[in-house]
Amino acid sequence: RKEVEQDPGPFNVPEGATVAFNCTYSNSASQSFFWYRQDCRKEPKLLMSVYSSGNEDGRFTAQLNRASQYISLLIRDSKLSDSATYLCVVNLQTGANNLFFGTGTRLTVIP
Amino acid sequence: EAQVTQNPRYLITVTGKKLTVTCSQNMNHEYMSWYRQDPGLGLRQIYYSMNVEVTDKGDVPEGYKVSRKEKRNFPLILESPSPNQTSLYFCASSLTLAQPQHFGDGTRLSIL
Repeated sequence: RKEVEQDPGPFNVPEGATVAFNCTYSNSASQSFFWYRQDCRKEPKLLMSVYSSGNEDGRFTAQLNRASQYISLLIRDSKLSDSATYLCVVNLQTGANNLFFGTGTRLTVIP
Repeated sequence: EAQVTQNPRYLITVTGKKLTVTCSQNMNHEYMSWYRQDPGLGLRQIYYSMNVEVTDKGDVPEGYKVSRKEKRNFPLILESPSPNQTSLYFCASSLTLAQPQHFGDGTRLSIL
């Protein structure tokens, strides 16, 4: 079983739509969580960290559900510039090989 | 400007010819790591380093070597490259293990 699983998509949504992605993780000891954005053939860039109480940054909202072991990313009022692949990252913080990346969810926002 | 710098950005070479991809960060980060990214497989960790002279294997270390003689540099060495190492490689660093990572621009390697 993969440590981190994401629906690869693609998600094709019209401008202005609200879209949500989920990411499930297998290890209940996971300590920290992040969403990254990756544009085609570019490096991943941190979009936001995910905190236990949930957090918001403009049109983006991230939530953590420890009981069900998933994190989510909600994008409101989608823009064309939101088109990218969104990667979730789970960190066990145990000192061993503890960083796990999802394979990413591809989003295309259509005019 | 805070950054992670990889070189070269692109390289086409032949099987068996040793190559090194350099990675340097100017943020005094302790944690550094190398990833390869292949279609459908996502980012897979090759090696990581918790600090100077401390390195360890990731998920896919076979065929690669690393060193961490200085805090800022973490080169990736392919002693005898093979075609299955053709991939997009990223170096990343973070202040500590718990912090989010900053990625370099990537190195696209083609091994013929």
